[in-house]
Amino acid sequence: EVQLVESGGGLVQPGRSLRLSCAASGFTFDDYAMHWVRQAPGKGLEWVSGISWNSGSTGYAESVKGRFTISRDNAKNSLYLQMNSLRAEDTALYYCAKDIGGNWGDAFDIWGQGTMVTVSS
Amino acid sequence: SSELTQDPAVSVALGQTVRITCQGDSLRIYYASWYQQKPGQAPVLVIYDKNNRPSGIPDRFSGSSSGNTASLTITGAQAEDEADYYCNSRDSSANHLYVFGTGTKVTVL
Repeated sequence: EVQLVESGGGLVQPGRSLRLSCAASGFTFDDYAMHWVRQAPGKGLEWVSGISWNSGSTGYAESVKGRFTISRDNAKNSLYLQMNSLRAEDTALYYCAKDIGGNWGDAFDIWGQGTMVTVSS
Repeated sequence: SSELTQDPAVSVALGQTVRITCQGDSLRIYYASWYQQKPGQAPVLVIYDKNNRPSGIPDRFSGSSSGNTASLTITGAQAEDEADYYCNSRDSSANHLYVFGTGTKVTVL
Protein backbone atom coordinates (compact mmCIF):
# COMPACT_ATOMS: atom_id res chain seq x y z
CA GLU A 1 0.00 0.00 0.00
CA VAL A 2 1.31 3.42 -0.97
CA GLN A 3 1.56 5.50 2.18
CA LEU A 4 2.97 8.72 3.58
CA VAL A 5 3.07 9.23 7.33
CA GLU A 6 4.02 12.59 8.80
CA SER A 7 5.33 13.17 12.31
CA GLY A 8 7.06 15.81 14.40
CA GLY A 9 4.29 18.35 14.82
CA GLY A 10 3.37 19.92 18.12
CA LEU A 11 3.08 23.11 20.13
CA VAL A 12 6.09 25.42 19.86
CA GLN A 13 6.78 28.98 20.98
CA PRO A 14 7.30 31.77 18.45
CA GLY A 15 10.90 32.02 17.32
CA ARG A 16 11.66 28.38 18.09
CA SER A 17 12.34 25.49 15.71
CA LEU A 18 10.66 22.23 14.76
CA ARG A 19 11.55 19.42 12.39
CA LEU A 20 8.86 17.51 10.53
CA SER A 21 9.38 14.05 9.06
CA CYS A 22 7.50 12.07 6.44
CA ALA A 23 7.99 8.31 6.10
CA ALA A 24 7.18 6.89 2.67
CA SER A 25 6.31 3.32 1.80
CA GLY A 26 4.78 1.31 -1.04
CA PHE A 27 6.58 3.08 -3.89
CA THR A 28 10.12 3.75 -5.09
CA PHE A 29 10.76 6.88 -3.07
CA ASP A 30 13.85 8.04 -4.93
CA ASP A 31 12.00 8.10 -8.26
CA TYR A 32 9.82 11.05 -7.26
CA ALA A 33 9.97 14.67 -6.22
CA MET A 34 8.28 15.40 -2.90
CA HIS A 35 6.50 18.37 -1.36
CA TRP A 36 5.15 19.92 1.81
CA VAL A 37 1.72 21.58 1.71
CA ARG A 38 0.05 23.24 4.68
CA GLN A 39 -3.45 24.25 5.66
CA ALA A 40 -4.15 26.75 8.40
CA PRO A 41 -7.27 26.05 10.48
CA GLY A 42 -10.35 26.78 8.39
CA LYS A 43 -8.26 28.01 5.47
CA GLY A 44 -7.17 26.76 2.04
CA LEU A 45 -4.16 24.81 0.88
CA GLU A 46 -0.76 26.49 0.62
CA TRP A 47 2.22 24.89 -1.11
CA VAL A 48 5.24 25.29 1.18
CA SER A 49 8.25 23.58 -0.36
CA GLY A 50 9.38 20.91 -2.80
CA ILE A 51 12.49 18.87 -3.57
CA SER A 52 13.51 16.90 -6.64
CA TRP A 53 14.15 13.16 -6.56
CA ASN A 54 17.90 13.55 -6.04
CA SER A 55 17.81 16.72 -3.90
CA GLY A 56 19.32 18.56 -6.86
CA SER A 57 16.76 21.33 -6.73
CA THR A 58 14.46 22.76 -4.10
CA GLY A 59 11.76 25.41 -3.99
CA TYR A 60 10.12 27.45 -1.26
CA ALA A 61 7.07 29.65 -0.93
CA GLU A 62 7.95 33.28 -0.27
CA SER A 63 6.26 33.02 3.11
CA VAL A 64 8.84 30.49 4.36
CA LYS A 65 11.94 31.21 2.28
CA GLY A 66 14.99 31.66 4.47
CA ARG A 67 13.32 30.07 7.50
CA PHE A 68 12.38 26.56 6.31
CA THR A 69 14.66 23.94 4.77
CA ILE A 70 13.44 20.84 2.93
CA SER A 71 15.59 17.73 2.68
CA ARG A 72 15.28 14.03 1.99
CA ASP A 73 17.12 10.80 2.76
CA ASN A 74 16.43 8.34 -0.03
CA ALA A 75 18.16 5.52 1.88
CA LYS A 76 15.57 5.97 4.65
CA ASN A 77 12.60 6.73 2.36
CA SER A 78 12.10 9.91 4.32
CA LEU A 79 11.32 13.57 3.70
CA TYR A 80 12.00 16.36 6.19
CA LEU A 81 11.10 19.97 6.82
CA GLN A 82 13.28 21.97 9.19
CA MET A 83 11.31 24.96 10.38
CA ASN A 84 13.18 27.78 12.11
CA SER A 85 12.07 31.17 13.44
CA LEU A 86 8.50 29.97 13.65
CA ARG A 87 5.68 32.50 13.64
CA ALA A 88 2.05 32.37 14.67
CA GLU A 89 1.07 32.39 11.00
CA ASP A 90 2.92 29.10 10.49
CA THR A 91 0.24 27.38 12.56
CA ALA A 92 -1.25 24.77 10.24
CA LEU A 93 -1.70 21.13 9.38
CA TYR A 94 1.36 20.15 7.37
CA TYR A 95 0.91 17.54 4.65
CA CYS A 96 3.60 15.55 2.90
CA ALA A 97 2.73 14.94 -0.76
CA LYS A 98 4.27 12.83 -3.51
CA ASP A 99 4.88 14.43 -6.88
CA ILE A 100 3.49 12.59 -9.88
CA GLY A 101 6.93 12.96 -11.52
CA GLY A 102 10.59 12.83 -10.60
CA ASN A 103 11.47 16.39 -11.41
CA TRP A 104 8.76 18.90 -10.64
CA GLY A 105 5.70 17.24 -12.13
CA ASP A 106 2.28 18.76 -12.54
CA ALA A 107 0.40 17.17 -9.67
CA PHE A 108 0.59 15.64 -6.21
CA ASP A 109 -0.91 12.17 -6.35
CA ILE A 110 -0.38 10.79 -2.84
CA TRP A 111 -0.90 12.69 0.41
CA GLY A 112 -0.30 11.87 4.04
CA GLN A 113 -2.80 12.60 6.79
CA GLY A 114 -0.81 15.57 8.06
CA THR A 115 0.87 16.66 11.27
CA MET A 116 -0.34 19.70 13.19
CA VAL A 117 2.00 22.54 14.06
CA THR A 118 0.82 25.16 16.54
CA VAL A 119 2.97 28.22 17.15
CA SER A 120 1.92 29.99 20.31
CA SER A 121 3.36 31.34 23.52
CA SER B 1 4.14 35.05 -7.09
CA SER B 2 1.20 33.94 -9.20
CA GLU B 3 -2.36 33.66 -7.96
CA LEU B 4 -5.17 31.27 -8.86
CA THR B 5 -8.70 32.51 -8.27
CA GLN B 6 -11.76 30.31 -7.71
CA ASP B 7 -15.38 31.08 -6.87
CA PRO B 8 -15.85 30.54 -3.12
CA ALA B 9 -18.94 28.36 -3.41
CA VAL B 10 -21.24 26.69 -5.92
CA SER B 11 -24.25 24.43 -5.54
CA VAL B 12 -25.63 21.71 -7.79
CA ALA B 13 -28.75 19.59 -7.73
CA LEU B 14 -28.22 15.88 -7.33
CA GLY B 15 -27.52 14.32 -10.71
CA GLN B 16 -26.91 17.63 -12.46
CA THR B 17 -23.70 19.11 -13.85
CA VAL B 18 -21.48 21.67 -12.17
CA ARG B 19 -18.39 23.46 -13.47
CA ILE B 20 -15.74 24.91 -11.19
CA THR B 21 -13.34 27.43 -12.67
CA CYS B 22 -9.82 28.52 -11.79
CA GLN B 23 -8.24 31.64 -13.24
CA GLY B 24 -4.62 32.72 -13.27
CA ASP B 25 -1.80 33.76 -15.56
CA SER B 26 0.21 30.61 -14.82
CA LEU B 27 -2.53 28.57 -16.52
CA ARG B 28 -1.50 30.02 -19.87
CA ILE B 29 1.73 28.03 -19.51
CA TYR B 30 1.13 25.16 -17.09
CA TYR B 31 -1.55 22.52 -16.69
CA ALA B 32 -3.89 22.65 -13.71
CA SER B 33 -4.44 19.79 -11.34
CA TRP B 34 -7.54 19.50 -9.18
CA TYR B 35 -7.96 18.20 -5.62
CA GLN B 36 -11.04 17.18 -3.67
CA GLN B 37 -10.98 17.64 0.09
CA LYS B 38 -13.71 16.44 2.42
CA PRO B 39 -13.94 17.65 6.04
CA GLY B 40 -11.22 16.18 8.23
CA GLN B 41 -9.54 14.40 5.34
CA ALA B 42 -6.43 14.90 3.26
CA PRO B 43 -6.83 16.22 -0.29
CA VAL B 44 -7.29 13.71 -3.10
CA LEU B 45 -6.07 14.26 -6.67
CA VAL B 46 -9.01 14.03 -9.10
CA ILE B 47 -7.63 15.57 -12.34
CA TYR B 48 -4.10 16.19 -13.59
CA ASP B 49 -2.45 17.27 -16.83
CA LYS B 50 -5.61 19.13 -17.73
CA ASN B 51 -7.88 16.08 -18.17
CA ASN B 52 -6.35 12.88 -16.78
CA ARG B 53 -7.96 10.97 -13.91
CA PRO B 54 -5.96 8.90 -11.42
CA SER B 55 -7.04 5.31 -10.95
CA GLY B 56 -10.21 5.10 -8.87
CA ILE B 57 -11.58 8.54 -9.74
CA PRO B 58 -15.03 8.29 -11.36
CA ASP B 59 -15.35 9.38 -14.97
CA ARG B 60 -17.96 11.98 -14.01
CA PHE B 61 -14.96 14.18 -13.19
CA SER B 62 -13.35 15.91 -16.17
CA GLY B 63 -11.06 18.83 -16.78
CA SER B 64 -10.52 21.41 -19.48
CA SER B 65 -8.54 24.55 -20.08
CA SER B 66 -8.63 27.66 -22.26
CA GLY B 67 -6.36 30.66 -22.02
CA ASN B 68 -5.92 31.61 -18.38
CA THR B 69 -8.84 29.50 -17.13
CA ALA B 70 -8.98 25.86 -16.11
CA SER B 71 -12.24 24.11 -15.32
CA LEU B 72 -13.31 21.03 -13.42
CA THR B 73 -16.68 19.60 -14.42
CA ILE B 74 -18.69 17.09 -12.44
CA THR B 75 -21.29 15.51 -14.73
CA GLY B 76 -24.09 13.88 -12.75
CA ALA B 77 -23.04 15.09 -9.31
CA GLN B 78 -23.48 12.65 -6.44
CA ALA B 79 -23.97 13.36 -2.76
CA GLU B 80 -20.44 12.14 -2.07
CA ASP B 81 -19.02 14.84 -4.35
CA GLU B 82 -19.88 17.51 -1.78
CA ALA B 83 -16.46 18.82 -0.77
CA ASP B 84 -13.94 21.62 -1.19
CA TYR B 85 -12.11 21.64 -4.51
CA TYR B 86 -8.73 23.27 -5.12
CA CYS B 87 -6.86 23.86 -8.35
CA ASN B 88 -3.08 23.93 -8.49
CA SER B 89 -0.38 24.67 -11.00
CA ARG B 90 3.23 25.57 -11.21
CA ASP B 91 3.93 29.23 -10.53
CA SER B 92 4.98 31.01 -13.71
CA SER B 93 6.80 33.75 -11.82
CA ALA B 94 9.77 31.53 -10.83
CA ASN B 95 11.19 28.02 -11.06
CA HIS B 96 10.25 25.27 -8.65
CA LEU B 97 7.23 27.00 -7.21
CA TYR B 98 3.60 25.94 -7.09
CA VAL B 99 0.39 27.75 -6.27
CA PHE B 100 -3.01 26.57 -5.09
CA GLY B 101 -6.30 28.18 -5.93
CA THR B 102 -8.45 29.81 -3.28
CA GLY B 103 -10.82 26.83 -3.19
CA THR B 104 -14.48 26.23 -4.07
CA LYS B 105 -17.02 24.69 -1.73
CA VAL B 106 -19.37 22.46 -3.72
CA THR B 107 -22.77 21.74 -2.17
CA VAL B 108 -24.95 18.98 -3.64
CA LEU B 109 -28.63 19.77 -3.08
